[in-house]
Amino acid sequence: GQQLNQSPQSMFIQEGEDVSMNCTSSSIFNTWLWYKQDPGEGPVLLIALYKAGELTSNGRLTAQFGITRKDSFLNISASIPSDVGIYFCGTGNQFYFGTGTSLTVIP
Amino acid sequence: NAGVTQTPKFQVLKTGQSMTLQCAQDMNHEYMSWYRQDPGMGLRLIHYSVGAGITDQGEVPNGYNVSRSTTEDFPLRLLSAAPSQTSVYFCASSYSETGGLGYTFGSGTRLTVV
Repeated sequence: GQQLNQSPQSMFIQEGEDVSMNCTSSSIFNTWLWYKQDPGEGPVLLIALYKAGELTSNGRLTAQFGITRKDSFLNISASIPSDVGIYFCGTGNQFYFGTGTSLTVIP
Repeated sequence: NAGVTQTPKFQVLKTGQSMTLQCAQDMNHEYMSWYRQDPGMGLRLIHYSVGAGITDQGEVPNGYNVSRSTTEDFPLRLLSAAPSQTSVYFCASSYSETGGLGYTFGSGTRLTVV
């Protein structure tokens, strides 16, 4: 099946640092979604992107829908300990998810 | 609180046993889906439904059955459990198939097959 390639697989950063992660595919998608999963919980939607080139912010989070519609990026500014978790990208029809980026924030 | 409720939260089965994972949502969402989550594999779609009476297969449907008799409920049945079905299972719902406002996930069922 179609896989979304998400990188990096894991990140260990100091509190206050900025974070970048991305998601790529060989197919075009019309919607990109970013989720965060806390330990022992289900994923929670962070940001939804609907238009190529779109840049959307939600607090310290910023996500972009790639021009080619085959990729998306998520940035977190000034990380804090509660940013710890696994971040997933997903497509609008929810058929496919990335393999996740595990984020650890060191106080 | 409105949302997606999954039961049980934990389950241990013996190989060959059958069981049903329950999923209920109270948001009147038409679209519901089941995923399994395995280390390094992300979330993989098992089955989904676009409305009551309509179901279809996802990426990894073998060994699982679903039905959708009401808008609220979407149970997942394991017919004859195998160790390869040890996983964390998530149910999700959305008001539309395209997930315009994203999907709401349950908190998961952690299944171990021994």
